[in-house]
Amino acid sequence: DAGITQSPRHKVTETGTPVTLRCHQTENHRYMYWYRQDPGHGLRLIHYSYGVKDTDKGEVSDGYSVSRSKTEDFLLTLESATSSQTSVYFCATGTAVVETQYFGPGTRLLVL
Amino acid sequence: TQLLEQSPQFLSIQEGENLTVYCNSSSVFSSLQWYRQEPGEGPVLLVTVVTGGEVKKLKRLTFQFGDARKDSSLHITAAQPGDTGLYLCAGARGSQGNLIFGKGTKLSVKP
Repeated sequence: DAGITQSPRHKVTETGTPVTLRCHQTENHRYMYWYRQDPGHGLRLIHYSYGVKDTDKGEVSDGYSVSRSKTEDFLLTLESATSSQTSVYFCATGTAVVETQYFGPGTRLLVL
Repeated sequence: TQLLEQSPQFLSIQEGENLTVYCNSSSVFSSLQWYRQEPGEGPVLLVTVVTGGEVKKLKRLTFQFGDARKDSSLHITAAQPGDTGLYLCAGARGSQGNLIFGKGTKLSVKP
């Protein structure tokens, strides 16, 4: 158990509003990831971080931004939420880029 | 382009049956991981296979990495309801790049 928490766990919001999801880890892992999981698409990487203030885009980064000001926190922001961003969002951490990833419990986001 | 294809997508079996799920690719991977995800939770690592031809056993679960390191299989013997979940494979290509996940096999084991 890598001690990963996500907040909020559930959120309902309206189209056009900004939304920020938080991932917090207690394991001092260097790498942090944000994924979305949708039926028929599996897990898709949104953004990842390889250190404080070091981030890069993943496969489906449009409409999302991230920030990492401390090792333990990785924030995902939906600039202006759209219905297509309704999904389950998972945060993950790891010690190296191709090593085991430890996942948080997920955030269910519904954009109306 | 889906680099890792998992099959079958869905599998519903009775308790006690055996099953095999597959993870295939046209690309070579330096290692491959298998995760299990239960409803409402995040994926949890089951095993990592690294060497072509490698076989790893975890109780009733047997994992195999293909000789060419392009495919992998997971075999479950005498499935139990507790095995129910989504099984995901994830491949790594060298020490660079991120893990590539397959879409998963959703397994349901009925008592």
